[in-house]
Amino acid sequence: DTAVSQTPKYLVTQMGNDKSIKCEQNLGHDTMYWYKQDSKKFLKIMFSYNNKELIINETVPNRFSPKSPDKAHLNLHINSLELGDSAVYFCASSHKLVVPGELFFGEGSRLTVL
Amino acid sequence: QQPVQSPQAVILREGEDAVINCSSSKALYSVHWYRQKHGEAPVFLMILLKGGEQKGHEKISASFNEKKQQSSLYLTASQLSYSGTYFCGTDRLTQGGSEKLVFGKGTKLTVNP
Repeated sequence: DTAVSQTPKYLVTQMGNDKSIKCEQNLGHDTMYWYKQDSKKFLKIMFSYNNKELIINETVPNRFSPKSPDKAHLNLHINSLELGDSAVYFCASSHKLVVPGELFFGEGSRLTVL
Repeated sequence: QQPVQSPQAVILREGEDAVINCSSSKALYSVHWYRQKHGEAPVFLMILLKGGEQKGHEKISASFNEKKQQSSLYLTASQLSYSGTYFCGTDRLTQGGSEKLVFGKGTKLTVNP
């Protein structure tokens, strides 16, 4: 079983469209994250949820809306896609919120906006 | 604040050693090291919490200096499997007490036969 799984792995779409990426973890972790990795490989945190509650919201455009229906799932919906949204989006989870812990990453979802 | 990694890239022959540095202008709570192979997800290597701490697993080790402003990752007798991009991550505790891991820009390591 994959610990952190994301779907879809690849997404190609036109500017202006809306798309969603789903993430599920079966590790029993309380905290989940979305990271964005751009073409220069820079890994930047976008959001963090702890047990369905939004904890961290980095200055991400309102077009990005995360949703956590339960602590094992964290989805990312993106409205009105722009060229600059093209990137690999990684979901991750960790066990503890305050004490620093290992991040378990999903395989990534590569989004290409044309 | 994003940590600064150096060098940006390293090319080695199998069996050679390498050092990757990660520094911050402020004392850090912890330093995390991850390795990402091409087309794959980042994978955790180790966390250092205490000033002066050293950790290692086989031929990859890391240190955290006493002031907790710099960490170094040491790769000894490199193997082909060590190739990838290495990221250090430093945390920042938010107002709510939660942790935000901020990664450096990465160091691309290439090990050739």
